[in-house]
Amino acid sequence: DSGVTQTPKHLITATGQRVTLRCSPRSGDLSVYWYQQSLDQGLQFLIQYYNGEERAKGNILERFSAQQFPDLHSELNLSSLELGDSALYFCASSVASGASTDTQYFGPGTRLTVL
Amino acid sequence: GQSLEQPSEVTAVEGAIVQINCTYQTSGFYGLSWYQQHDGGAPTFLSYNALDGLEETGRFSSFLSRSDSYGYLLLQELQMKDSASYFCAVRDEDSSYKLIFGSGTRLLVRP
Repeated sequence: DSGVTQTPKHLITATGQRVTLRCSPRSGDLSVYWYQQSLDQGLQFLIQYYNGEERAKGNILERFSAQQFPDLHSELNLSSLELGDSALYFCASSVASGASTDTQYFGPGTRLTVL
Repeated sequence: GQSLEQPSEVTAVEGAIVQINCTYQTSGFYGLSWYQQHDGGAPTFLSYNALDGLEETGRFSSFLSRSDSYGYLLLQELQMKDSASYFCAVRDEDSSYKLIFGSGTRLLVRP
C-alpha cells in the first residue's frame, strides 16, 4: 500500500459525459501528479500540482482539467468524454521538497471505460 | 525534449538473471528511476540512481552510466511473481519533478 488513495476504482460512462476522479496523496506529500495509461501504453504525464498550485502540464487535453484543494487532495475532471479516453488514470504523490531524490508513489488507479 | 528507450519484451526462466536496459536522451539529468507494474496494478518504485555505479536492493540491482546515458535493471533469482512490466524514468528538465517514462519492458518469467 503506497498510501495514495484514488476513487473510484472503476468508472463506466457514456460518450459526452463528464466524470471526476479523486486522489488523496500520502501524508506529508505536497505534490500530486496525474498520469494516463491506455491499453498497452506507457504512462503519459497529464498535469502536476504542488501545494495547491499548478506546477507543470503535459499532454493534457483541453477537455480535461484538475485542481488541488487546501487539504492537498486533487481531482481530475474529464468532460465531453470520447471512446479514446478509456484508460487507467493514475495519481502519484511526492514530497517535491527540492531534493534530487524525489520518489513518486502511485495510487491504485481509476479504470475509466467510455461506452 | 527527453526520450527513453527500452526493449519491449524480455523472456527468462525462473531462477535465472535478466537485465533490462534503458538508454535516455535528456539535456538535464536528475537521475534514473525504475518502476515495476503488474497487469492492472499500480507502478511501484524499485530504485533510483543519481550517480554512476550499481545500487543493490535485495534481488534487484540498478546500474547507471551517465557518460553513456545508459542504465539497466538487473533481476536475479527470478521468480514467477517478477513477471510484470518494468519502466525506466527520468525527471523532467524543469523544476517540476514530473517523470518522463519509457514505454516499458514486459518481462515474462517461465517455469
